Amino acid sequence: GDSVTQTEGPVTLSEGTSLTVNCSYETKQYPTLFWYVQYPGEGPQLLFKVPKANEKGSNRGFEATYNKEATSFHLQKASVQESDSAVYYCALSDRSNNRIFFGDGTQLVVKP
Amino acid sequence: NAGVIQTPRHKVTGKGQEATLWCEPISGHSAVFWYRQTIVQGLEFLTYFRNQAPIDDSGMPKERFSAQMPNQSHSTLKIQSTQPQDSAVYLCASSLEGGQDTQYFGPGTRLLVL
Repeated sequence: GDSVTQTEGPVTLSEGTSLTVNCSYETKQYPTLFWYVQYPGEGPQLLFKVPKANEKGSNRGFEATYNKEATSFHLQKASVQESDSAVYYCALSDRSNNRIFFGDGTQLVVKP
Repeated sequence: NAGVIQTPRHKVTGKGQEATLWCEPISGHSAVFWYRQTIVQGLEFLTYFRNQAPIDDSGMPKERFSAQMPNQSHSTLKIQSTQPQDSAVYLCASSLEGGQDTQYFGPGTRLLVL
């Protein structure tokens, strides 16, 4: 079945340093890939999604490239801020699914 | 657009009592999803409706849990005979048509079973 594996948290960084959260996926189909972010007390919200291989998604300084060969969709940001502290979910959905499959989430803690 | 609305935001029940959680999807969205979130298990899919019909309930516990969508403007998740292990945040999400469409989540209902 479909599955998503991502960096186990928590990931603790100092403000201004770079971030990489690894995400690998398994599916027999051709998926759309997502990154969601969840702030305390809120539901997850879409950060961005990428429907096509070899394309990049980005939002708020975060970016990820859909790598079909490596089955990866790693999240990166050059310089994190304290306000980026949240839980980040990698997810996928393909045409054979009714829904989106989420990874276990990676908690990011950014210290000032 | 008010987003997905969930009520109540917090609910405390005693062991053995019933809990009903409500979700109002975004107007015009035909797909509604329920998830359970805990620190240990993370985000768990429970069930999914499209055009009010149940499509996939593979994540629903076989006993005590049920979900309905009587009309396009609301869905309910009912837990009978609540147990302490049911304590979690229950999240509802809606999307335009399901599948690969972006899901928009509500703020969740935090259920505490004493």
